[in-house]
Amino acid sequence: RKEVEQDPGPFNVPEGATVAFNCTYSNSASQSFFWYRQDCRKEPKLLMSVYSSGNEDGRFTAQLNRASQYISLLIRDSKLSDSATYLCVVTGDSGYALNFGKGTSLLVTP
Amino acid sequence: DAGITQSPRHKVTETGTPVTLRCHQTENHRYMYWYRQDPGHGLRLIHYSYGVKDTDKGEVSDGYSVSRSKTEDFLLTLESATSSQTSVYFCAISESRGQTTGYFGPGTRLTVT
Repeated sequence: RKEVEQDPGPFNVPEGATVAFNCTYSNSASQSFFWYRQDCRKEPKLLMSVYSSGNEDGRFTAQLNRASQYISLLIRDSKLSDSATYLCVVTGDSGYALNFGKGTSLLVTP
Repeated sequence: DAGITQSPRHKVTETGTPVTLRCHQTENHRYMYWYRQDPGHGLRLIHYSYGVKDTDKGEVSDGYSVSRSKTEDFLLTLESATSSQTSVYFCAISESRGQTTGYFGPGTRLTVT
């Protein structure tokens, strides 16, 4: 079983819509969780960390459910510039490096 | 943007030839990582370093070696390139274990023919 699983999409949404991405992870010992964003043919960039209490950064809200080993990302009021691939990321056993999901593709249309 | 560069940015090489990719950082971060990204697999860790001369294997280390003789440079070597090593290679750095504030380099597109 893949350690981090995401729905690959694509999610096609109109501008202004709210969209949610989900992710599950298999290692119950994982300690840190993140969402990264990757634009086409570019490097991944950290979007936000995910905390058990939930956290918000502008239009983006991330949630973590440790009991269900589930992470979510909510994007409100979608912009054209939000079009990208969103990667769910979880620390591995050693704590040194990260396990990446394959990503969820988002396309925001006018 | 964080100061990470990768060289070369693009390379085409033949099967069986050695190839070295370089990652250079100006942030003085302790941890450095090499990942490869392939369609259908996402990003996978090849090797990482937790200090000068301190390295360890990642998920897909077979066929790759690394060296770190200075804080700022992390080299990835393909001793004898194979077509299965055609990929995009990303270097990443982090101040802390687990890459909680990780930055990635721009990537190297390697094609092995």
